[in-house]
Amino acid sequence: NAGVMQNPRHLVRRRGQEARLRCSPMKGHSHVYWYRQLPEEGLKFMVYLQKENIIDESGMPKERFSAEFPKEGPSILRIQQVVRGDSAAYFCASSPPRGGRDTQYFGPGTRLTVL
Amino acid sequence: AQSVTQLDSHVSVSEGTPVLLRCNYSSSYSPSLFWYVQHPNKGLQLLLKYTSAATLVKGINGFEAEFKKSETSFHLTKPSAHMSDAAEYFCVVSAKAAGNKLTFGGGTRVLVKP
Repeated sequence: NAGVMQNPRHLVRRRGQEARLRCSPMKGHSHVYWYRQLPEEGLKFMVYLQKENIIDESGMPKERFSAEFPKEGPSILRIQQVVRGDSAAYFCASSPPRGGRDTQYFGPGTRLTVL
Repeated sequence: AQSVTQLDSHVSVSEGTPVLLRCNYSSSYSPSLFWYVQHPNKGLQLLLKYTSAATLVKGINGFEAEFKKSETSFHLTKPSAHMSDAAEYFCVVSAKAAGNKLTFGGGTRVLVKP
């Protein structure tokens, strides 16, 4: 049973480019969460999605950031017009549809570097 | 609202000696509490969780944690440190009433000396 998968593992972008981060949840999981870890800090919640729905985006920056979890395919975190301050590790977590919903299983993360 | 304070940003222990990582939390709800471990450039692995059952929780790799409501604490311990325990450890709180989003402490980096 594969765990949560994220790709790419490392992503380098120049200022002003777009970054697209992908997350495939564990098999059978329909809840996806995105977290950001800035250097030397803990993880901060960004957004919580279920299939085709954004449930809670209270941690998302107001501009340039968006997330989706389509009916088919992985969840995508998109960052438009990246700036140096977006350099961080972005982690995706998933949880099952009911029962044990509060246990989240993390992917290996995508480390974004903005030049 | 919920928050987590990890009282030590760095802990250094000798191999074979006990490890204690301190965590205090604040939550307006009935919380679930977790400890995750992150090895360098890796993702997060769940060590253990508390969800209102037994207050002493046993996890993987010999770790355990005790939930003390009166002290709002959830300290992590291990009787004997191993070199492979060198990593960063995060104490985490969540609550169904808060949408299950995880709130992380700042992390404690553990160094194990031979």
